[in-house]
Amino acid sequence: EDQVTQSPEALRLQEGESSSLNCSYTVSGLRGLFWYRQDPGKGPEFLFTLYSAGEEKEKERLKATLTKKESFLHITAPKPEDSATYLCAATDTGKLIFGQGTTLQVKP
Amino acid sequence: EPEVTQTPSHQVTQMGQEVILRCVPISNHLYFYWYRQILGQKVEFLVSFYNNEISEKSEIFDDQFSVERPDGSNFTLKIRSTKLEDSAMYFCASSAGGDGYTFGSGTRLTVV
Repeated sequence: EDQVTQSPEALRLQEGESSSLNCSYTVSGLRGLFWYRQDPGKGPEFLFTLYSAGEEKEKERLKATLTKKESFLHITAPKPEDSATYLCAATDTGKLIFGQGTTLQVKP
Repeated sequence: EPEVTQTPSHQVTQMGQEVILRCVPISNHLYFYWYRQILGQKVEFLVSFYNNEISEKSEIFDDQFSVERPDGSNFTLKIRSTKLEDSAMYFCASSAGGDGYTFGSGTRLTVV
């Protein structure tokens, strides 16, 4: 069964303290691995798509990487405004299979 | 920046009533989706729609659910007879078929 698992479920960081979020996937015929940010009561906001192992993408303090089994979202020197839930999703047929998310809290 | 618009933002309905959730996808997108998120749980796929027909649906999407693109711009999700367990955030998403799926802000459905 296709599955996406994220860890940790929750992460508390001090402002400026870099860390990484993990997304493990078992999806046959992966067509894309997505990262989204979700604020409370809002819809997922697109961050990145990765298509093949070894690919990396960056946006401001965020960098996403992909291997054949995992993806990482690296957060460098986070700020309080980076506090949100980060969702990972994979697709094979077009539908997105989501992980349960990592809720990040960055304290000033 | 183009966005997916969903209405209403919050709907309260009596158990057994029919509800219609509305979405206006991004105008040049061809693929349309509905997802739901029960409070504290994962975002779950319900249905995908392309070329005026359902292309894939999940086990959740049973005979109580239907989708329609009535006028070339709106995309609707109908729940015929709501149950308490249908209470959730419902998200519409659209895609041009390549990079990225754009989600709306969601409709919070509360069944009482």
